[in-house]
Amino acid sequence: GQQVMQIPQYQHVQEGEDFTTYCNSSTTLSNIQWYKQRPGGHPVFLIQLVKSGEVKKQKRLTFQFGEAKKNSSLHITATQTTDVGTYFCAGQEATGTASKLTFGTGTRLQVTL
Amino acid sequence: SAVISQKPSRDICQRGTSLTIQCQVDSQVTMMFWYRQQPGQSLTLIATANQGSEATYESGFVIDKFPISRPNLTFSTLTVSNMSPEDSSIYLCSVGVGGQPQHFGDGTRLSIL
Repeated sequence: GQQVMQIPQYQHVQEGEDFTTYCNSSTTLSNIQWYKQRPGGHPVFLIQLVKSGEVKKQKRLTFQFGEAKKNSSLHITATQTTDVGTYFCAGQEATGTASKLTFGTGTRLQVTL
Repeated sequence: SAVISQKPSRDICQRGTSLTIQCQVDSQVTMMFWYRQQPGQSLTLIATANQGSEATYESGFVIDKFPISRPNLTFSTLTVSNMSPEDSSIYLCSVGVGGQPQHFGDGTRLSIL
């Protein structure tokens, strides 16, 4: 079945440093979504990318979808302590059940002052 | 976006017992999803629940262990049967229309002694 891997598994940065997490799918995706889960919370939707090579920005966050629609990245510029949490990508396959999401392994971000 | 209420928020159960988790949505939705998140892990889809039809289970999950009901377009239940310590997880319901982002409930934190 479809597998979605993320690297790194964990990253610890100092406030103000940049952070990037990478997401790779074993199959071609129709779209990719990114979620953030704060400690003790539930996943919260951040953004959806649909087009090959698409780049979207949300303030300090930049999301990119690969040309082959099999990989994606999330880059945070100048991290803040509020960015702490686990970031998951989640892919919907180009074929098969339209709504089924396969979540990536996640990247846990720790930010210290 | 949909507001999802999940009950109970947490429970501690004895080995061999069963627990039913409820998920209530504030609007009518076609598809509801049940996920499991083991400690420190990603989300794994258990099953997709459509109103008026049998739930569709993912590989590794069976109806006898995780029976699901979907009596109407705003409500679903997941039962975790004959629990063992390995079932200690967070169980999350979510809703989403095909190709669109999913919205999650707060989850049920389940511990089995």
